Amino acid sequence: EDKVVQSPLSLVVHEGDTVTLNCSYEVTNFRSLLWYKQEKKAPTFLFMLTSSGIEKKSGRLSSILDKKELSSILNITATQTGDSAIYLCAVGSGYALNFGKGTSLLVTP
Amino acid sequence: NAGVTQTPKFQVLKTGQSMTLQCAQDMNHEYMSWYRQDPGMGLRLIHYSVGAGITDQGEVPNGYNVSRSTTEDFPLRLLSAAPSQTSVYFCASSYFLSGNTEAFFGQGTRLTVV
Repeated sequence: EDKVVQSPLSLVVHEGDTVTLNCSYEVTNFRSLLWYKQEKKAPTFLFMLTSSGIEKKSGRLSSILDKKELSSILNITATQTGDSAIYLCAVGSGYALNFGKGTSLLVTP
Repeated sequence: NAGVTQTPKFQVLKTGQSMTLQCAQDMNHEYMSWYRQDPGMGLRLIHYSVGAGITDQGEVPNGYNVSRSTTEDFPLRLLSAAPSQTSVYFCASSYFLSGNTEAFFGQGTRLTVV
């Protein structure tokens, strides 16, 4: 059975802190790993990772995939209150996109 | 740029009632899927379709039916609603089979079964 595990499940930080969110997976027929940000509504796409060791960056957010360790991290530097959200990791395998339970991030002023 | 359109946004049903959640996409994606999201559970796959006329079950298919008569539409039917089906439902589409697994999501349907 395919499995995607995120940690921590929740996190509270102060504005300006740097956070690292983790995602590990056990899937057959790995195709890609994706990160999404979810505020009140639908998840919005952040990154898609298919190759090990290549960092993807967008502003203060970055992510990297380690296929040997079957894991990925999402880094957010200089956090802002607007970063408060649920961050979802999903792994594409076979015909499915399997999601972890998410990390709930709260950034306090 | 409509993307993925879901209707309705909110719905309250009585136990035993049936209803259809509508989903349409205008991006010519071959892959469409339905998820439900419950607190602390992430998104769980209900059913998916890899093209018109082809559907298959996901992780939590019981109590739901789907069909895919066109590329654009992928409705989700609840046959006899139960309180356990109270959830937020998301429809998503992508070029999954072509290698781009980025899923585009509809805005969600918040369903309450009383």
